[in-house]
Amino acid sequence: QQQVKQSPQSLIVQKGGISIINCAYENTAFDYFPWYQQFPGKGPALLIAIRPDVSEKKEGRFTISFNKSAKQFSLHIMDSQPGDSATYFCAAIDLGSGTYKYIFGTGTRLKVLA
Amino acid sequence: NAGVTQTPKFRVLKTGQSMTLLCAQDMNHEYMYWYRQDPGMGLRLIHYSVGEGTTAKGEVPDGYNVSRLKKQNFLLGLESAAPSQTSVYFCASSLLSLVAEAFFGQGTRLTVV
Repeated sequence: QQQVKQSPQSLIVQKGGISIINCAYENTAFDYFPWYQQFPGKGPALLIAIRPDVSEKKEGRFTISFNKSAKQFSLHIMDSQPGDSATYFCAAIDLGSGTYKYIFGTGTRLKVLA
Repeated sequence: NAGVTQTPKFRVLKTGQSMTLLCAQDMNHEYMYWYRQDPGMGLRLIHYSVGEGTTAKGEVPDGYNVSRLKKQNFLLGLESAAPSQTSVYFCASSLLSLVAEAFFGQGTRLTVV
């Protein structure tokens, strides 16, 4: 049962372009939505996160857009750089459950062409 | 500051063999997790722990056991390895807080032949 659906599976973007990765969730109890970045041979690392009380959060070139009514959120990478080439995972957590279980999407492999 | 350390980094097992993966964190985190990562499947939760002496099942617990005898360590055991358990295993830990950032180890690449 995939509680968080992520698309696309892979993405190729030209340097300077905008990368967009989308996620959708089912469980309305989720109340924290982080994005993780993973480079080859490394563990995932937190990139940016958002709570459902805001519709957008921006950190540098990375922006999360959140649509609570549609149960969707997306990551936008502006001015994409070759160094952004990595696998990106969205995740969702129900903080109120007390278990802090991170439910991850299936991942998007991003390649930024120089 | 080491963060989350996984041992070993690579391992090849024969079908039916057993092994234990060790995860150690030095951040005094309450929560610890074991995930497996497979192509096209993302990160799937195997087992997790909300504190010393406690464990719980995740999405894909069959064929695995865990123990958390000390707060800083979380062990993942395979009693009788199967080729379907070939994967990259990640341990993670997090603090009980509203930030809820999970810190991951470098991963263990396990191949069962």
